[in-house]
Amino acid sequence: KAGVTQTPRYLIKTRGQQVTLSCSPISGHRSVSWYQQTPGQGLQFLFEYFSETQRNKGNFPGRFSGRQFSNSRSEMNVSTLELGDSALYLCASSFRDSLQETQYFGPGTRLLVL
Amino acid sequence: TQLLEQSPQFLSIQEGENLTVYCNSSSVFSSLQWYRQEPGEGPVLLVTVVTGGEVKKLKRLTFQFGDARKDSSLHITAAQPGDTGLYLCAGARGTSYGKLTFGQGTILTVHP
Repeated sequence: KAGVTQTPRYLIKTRGQQVTLSCSPISGHRSVSWYQQTPGQGLQFLFEYFSETQRNKGNFPGRFSGRQFSNSRSEMNVSTLELGDSALYLCASSFRDSLQETQYFGPGTRLLVL
Repeated sequence: TQLLEQSPQFLSIQEGENLTVYCNSSSVFSSLQWYRQEPGEGPVLLVTVVTGGEVKKLKRLTFQFGDARKDSSLHITAAQPGDTGLYLCAGARGTSYGKLTFGQGTILTVHP
């Protein structure tokens, strides 16, 4: 099975712009989660989608949004970019069973805001 | 508030030494996962532990989940330079679907 794929891998934007990141989960996985990773804060949960519905949301401002399509692919959007949004954005997919919440991560999108 | 406290933050050892990384919390987790991450890449899953007291072995790596499912440890025997990387523990709680709470990570450097 192919792993989680994320596009683009690298992105440079300027303050005030907006950006859209894409994630394709492992085939058969219906849950997609997004995380932001920075040296200072580590990995922080942004939101999770399951069957096109947002089930869980982290503590990020409304500038961060996402959606999921019927084929489970997901996108996240960041509007009005700030310097502090520079980070590695990671997408993870999972196939939840009754006992585990095992998530498989993609390689990430490195976003640099200038 | 960091729900998962991971220690130590940095570990620099010689090839052949043993080491243990700890992941502690005051909260109960339904499962706990360990990941290893290389620079510029996403975390790669090493193991998932689900049952309190569970011990899992992966070659030279031994993972343990605490009896109360609040803590976990990762022990590496005879570390090798290829073990170098960022080790992350992450916990899932009850009905918080799709949300993992991560520790701050342990940066391990194994010198030849």
